[in-house]
Amino acid sequence: SYVLTQPPSVSVAPGQTARITCGGNNIGSKGVHWYQQKPGQAPVLVVYDDSDRPSGIPERFSGSNSGNTATLTISRVEAGDEADYYCQVWDSSSDHPYVFGTGTKVTVL
Amino acid sequence: QLQLQESGPGLVKPSETLSLTCTVSGGSISSSTYYWGWIRQPPGKGLDWIGSIYYSGSTYYNPSLKSRVTISVDTSKKQFSLKMSSVTAADTAVYYCARSLGFGEPAYMDVWGKGTTVTVSS
Repeated sequence: SYVLTQPPSVSVAPGQTARITCGGNNIGSKGVHWYQQKPGQAPVLVVYDDSDRPSGIPERFSGSNSGNTATLTISRVEAGDEADYYCQVWDSSSDHPYVFGTGTKVTVL
Repeated sequence: QLQLQESGPGLVKPSETLSLTCTVSGGSISSSTYYWGWIRQPPGKGLDWIGSIYYSGSTYYNPSLKSRVTISVDTSKKQFSLKMSSVTAADTAVYYCARSLGFGEPAYMDVWGKGTTVTVSS
């Protein structure tokens, strides 16, 4: 089955840029979606189809995807961005098509 | 605005059946555009897809859970439900219901319920 690998943690100072990677075999050929999950809350979609933002998501959240790595970038990081972030793809070759990444804890210093 | 709300027992005994319902409000469950799914998250772990259903009743399940899981829909009540049999402590998790855009690319989940904690214990 398809595997998505994320770094367990990323630390960033307020106002700086956080980059969260999601690695997978030829992931650039797939649409990648990103979810933010704050403690005790449900996931929230922050980026879909590699780089599109749902209504209400700040422009500070952006995404890119190429080769074997997709990246979620959070610019001008705020304390409220501290959360777990998960990438997700659709694996059309599998009967377990919804694949989530391992998750990254973003800590704002 | 579409909202989802999970409901069901928070405590289930080992070997019994877990039953949860997700109620859709502020929108239609019978839209041809969306699938409705269940996802779970064990304590301190990541997200795992359980299965999805279309308003017509078509279902897809995680192969590792397929033998124990049934998802059904009641469009008149705007609800879809999850039943998981023969539960063990490994099934202890927060269970979420969510809406996904179709069943195929892009298939992201754009609306989630708040989640409900289910503990399996005697």
